Amino acid sequence: AQSVTQLGSHVSVSEGALVLLRCNYSSSVPPYLFWYVQYPNQGLQLLLKYTTGATLVKGINGFEAEFKKSETSFHLTKPSAHMSDAAEYFCAVSDRGYSTLTFGKGTMLLVSP
Amino acid sequence: GAGVSQSPRYKVAKRGQDVALRCDPISGHVSLFWYQQALGQGPEFLTYFQNEAQLDKSGLPSDRFFAERPEGSVSTLKIQRTQQEDSAVYLCASSLAGGGGYNEQFFGPGTRLTVL
Repeated sequence: AQSVTQLGSHVSVSEGALVLLRCNYSSSVPPYLFWYVQYPNQGLQLLLKYTTGATLVKGINGFEAEFKKSETSFHLTKPSAHMSDAAEYFCAVSDRGYSTLTFGKGTMLLVSP
Repeated sequence: GAGVSQSPRYKVAKRGQDVALRCDPISGHVSLFWYQQALGQGPEFLTYFQNEAQLDKSGLPSDRFFAERPEGSVSTLKIQRTQQEDSAVYLCASSLAGGGGYNEQFFGPGTRLTVL
């Protein structure tokens, strides 16, 4: 079965600093990869996804992620954090040809002024 | 509204009570998913519908959990004889197409179930 590991349950950055949230998956065959963001009392919102093609994926709100097959990783980055980025972020995978998502445990991003 | 809606948003049940959670997917979406999110955890898959057909229920934790989507639109997740370990946020998601793990799933705000 697929598993997703997100290193760090909490990440703290200062406003304007680089954001790096780590995600590794376990699969011998590259799955489809997703990052979702969850604001308090709201549903998950898709930030970006990798299905095929270019390994550097750009998403909403200035986020991007790079698929690295050799490292089985899909880390999320943003060059400059904004206060409004404070939320919980989930990495998820879906096996090719299969619909359901397997999520990591999430990383809470804290942004200080 | 154009998004996925869920009701109730909050539910408190006494242990042993039955509960029913409703999901209204985005109109026209073929696929519907239920996930359970325990406190401090990521969502975990419960069950999947394609139209009215329940194609995967491997994530349902026990036979106390039952889901249906009789007309291929609204879905209900029912939990019988609730236990404290059932306390969680129950998320519903829908996607436009059937099958294919690349399709974006749109999530509702969830129902927070607390079992006392």
